[in-house]
Amino acid sequence: EVQLVESGGGLVQPGGSLRLSCAASGFTFSSYWMSWVRQAPGKGLEWVANIKQDGSEKYYVDSVKGRFTISRDNAKNSLYLQMNSLRAEDTAVYYCARAGRFAARPGGSVYYYMDVWGKGTTVTVSS
Amino acid sequence: QSVLTQPPSVSAAPGQKVTISCSGSSSNIGNNYVSWYQQLPGTAPKLLIYDNNKRPSGIPDRFSGSKSGTSATLGITGLQTGDEADYYCGTWDSSLSAGGVFGTGTKVTVL
Repeated sequence: EVQLVESGGGLVQPGGSLRLSCAASGFTFSSYWMSWVRQAPGKGLEWVANIKQDGSEKYYVDSVKGRFTISRDNAKNSLYLQMNSLRAEDTAVYYCARAGRFAARPGGSVYYYMDVWGKGTTVTVSS
Repeated sequence: QSVLTQPPSVSAAPGQKVTISCSGSSSNIGNNYVSWYQQLPGTAPKLLIYDNNKRPSGIPDRFSGSKSGTSATLGITGLQTGDEADYYCGTWDSSLSAGGVFGTGTKVTVL
């Protein structure tokens, strides 16, 4: 069974750090781009970051650039999100997702969708 | 802040049809492929439509997607009570701050 399981969420004070993990199983992890998506309480989905199969390319939403780092360990079938300098507005459920396809056609059109999602882990930033 | 705009809510009786619009710009929907996600209460999102109009295996053909210019549309026919959920469109934005983007979300209510 294809599965993603997040862990590492919790309560942290503003300015603190947290490292989220996502364990993948049931598919060849090293063959896929991976993503983090978050959802603040009562709010919509927000894309956070993408990482290429070999970790050589990464993309971030502007609001986390310089504070969050996405990484992966293909030997351990694991995805990570290191979150530093946390703010109250980072409070959310964080989902790990597999990019079913992330590629650009000649001419520039981009295919991107997330076809497998974990159940999420909750991060609360509060004093 | 979402760059794709959806109506906050739509509703219809069981068996009827609803459509959900998703409006963007040339840097996202206008030039890239659109996907749609269903989020049932208290659960993770689930892929419904990818590449504008394709359905993953297991998704019934009651769900359909289309794209025209800088807008996309999700259609749900034969509405069922189990379709009550939040629906989000998504795509890639190829502007200077390249990244994934989602719509503002639409709550579907079955009357």
